[in-house]
Amino acid sequence: GENVEQHPSTLSVQEGDSAVIKCTYSDSASNYFPWYKQELGKGPQLIIDIRSNVGEKKDQRIAVTLNKTAKHFSLHITETQPEDSAVYFCAAYADSSYKLIFGSGTRLLVRP
Amino acid sequence: SAVISQKPSRDICQRGTSLTIQCQVDSQVTMMFWYRQQPGQSLTLIATANQGSEATYESGFVIDKFPISRPNLTFSTLTVSNMSPEDSSIYLCSVDISGNTGELFFGEGSRLTVL
Repeated sequence: GENVEQHPSTLSVQEGDSAVIKCTYSDSASNYFPWYKQELGKGPQLIIDIRSNVGEKKDQRIAVTLNKTAKHFSLHITETQPEDSAVYFCAAYADSSYKLIFGSGTRLLVRP
Repeated sequence: SAVISQKPSRDICQRGTSLTIQCQVDSQVTMMFWYRQQPGQSLTLIATANQGSEATYESGFVIDKFPISRPNLTFSTLTVSNMSPEDSSIYLCSVDISGNTGELFFGEGSRLTVL
């Protein structure tokens, strides 16, 4: 089955700096890669996603890149703000399995 | 998106008891899923709740321990049976409102503590 690895487990950046979180997946059939943000005491919130026919997608300060050949994808947050502090999860999905498999999570701390 | 309501939001339970978690969605959805998030950990898929048929369980999860109901396209329940402290987790309901797309929306979760 699918296995998703995520790095780093914790990331501390200064406000205004950029943050990058990386994930790799194992199942070549995976074709959808969302990113979730989870704040303390809340459920995961979908913040951006990318499908396998696209290499990059941007939404304001957030961007995601996908390298299907290498089976890895990354989340980029620019101009970080304290409210970006949360746990971020990557995930991978294959139509054939109907399952969304999550990475282990990255705890991002943005220092004011 | 979808509005997903879970009850209870949190509970403290005694060892050996069972608790049923409810999930209500504000629109009809084909795909509903239950996830478990142990303290400080990632999300693990428990099962897919199928409307009108038995749930599909992932490896390591069994129906006797986690019975699931899905009576219609807007509602599902997950029961955690014969609880032990190891069952202390957040249990999350999620839906794929567009069908089989993988774009899942989550409820706020039900935080269970088993003493």
